[in-house]
Amino acid sequence: QVQLQESGPGLVKPSETLSLICTVSGGSISSYYWSWIRQPPGKGLEWIGCIYYTGTTNYNPSLKSRVTISVDTSRNQFSLKLASVTAADTAVYYCARFGSNKGTFDFWGQGTMVTVSS
Amino acid sequence: DIVMTQSPDSLAVSLGETATINCKSSQSVLYSSNNRNYLSWYQQRPGQPPKLLIYWASARESGVPDRFSGSGSGTDFTLTISSLQAEDVAVYYCQPYYSSLGTFGQGTKVEIK
Repeated sequence: QVQLQESGPGLVKPSETLSLICTVSGGSISSYYWSWIRQPPGKGLEWIGCIYYTGTTNYNPSLKSRVTISVDTSRNQFSLKLASVTAADTAVYYCARFGSNKGTFDFWGQGTMVTVSS
Repeated sequence: DIVMTQSPDSLAVSLGETATINCKSSQSVLYSSNNRNYLSWYQQRPGQPPKLLIYWASARESGVPDRFSGSGSGTDFTLTISSLQAEDVAVYYCQPYYSSLGTFGQGTKVEIK
C-alpha cells in the first residue's frame, strides 16, 4: 500500500519561502504524477501543481510564478517550494499521487498545516 | 480551464435516506478515444484528507461501500449516497481530468437531519 507523508516547518514568516517534502513509501515514485494540493482553513481544495517522475512539471496558473516542485527519485521524495508567502497561503498542504489512467488522486498524505505569520 | 460547479453547497438528510449531489462541468470530460468520462468523486471527513470514492464517473474504488454510486456523462454528473449512515457526514468534492489537472468542485457538505 502506497503511503505519503508530508514534512516541513509549520510556521513561515511573510515574504519567505515555504518548503515541504513528501516522502513516498510502499511503492516507487516512478511512473506516476505527484501533486501538491492545499486547503485553507474552512475552505475547499486548491491544486498547486504536479511533477512526473522524469521531472516534467505542471503548475496552477494562479501560483505558477511562485511555485517550484522537484523530485528526487533516489530518495522517493518530491518537494514543494512556494516563494513570497502571505497570510493567504496559510493552509493544510497535502501531497497526493495522481494516476492518469483513472484520472484520480488515489493516494493522499495526511496533510500538514502551514501558518504564515510573523 | 474547466470550471466545476457543485450543487447544493450543503444538504441535510435523515439517516437511511438518500443524498444526491450534482456536479456540472464547463466542458465535456468525455474522452472519445475510450468513451470514458474522467470525473472523480472524493469524500473528506473532518480532519482527514480526501478519500477517492468514484472514478470514471461511475466506477467505485475498491473498498467503497455500494451505497455510493456515480452517474452522468459529458458535463453533468451525480453522486448518490443511498441509505445515509452517520459516518457519511463529510464534504464531497468532484474533480475532472481533461487534458490537464487543476480543478475541484467547491464541495458539498452533507449533514444528518
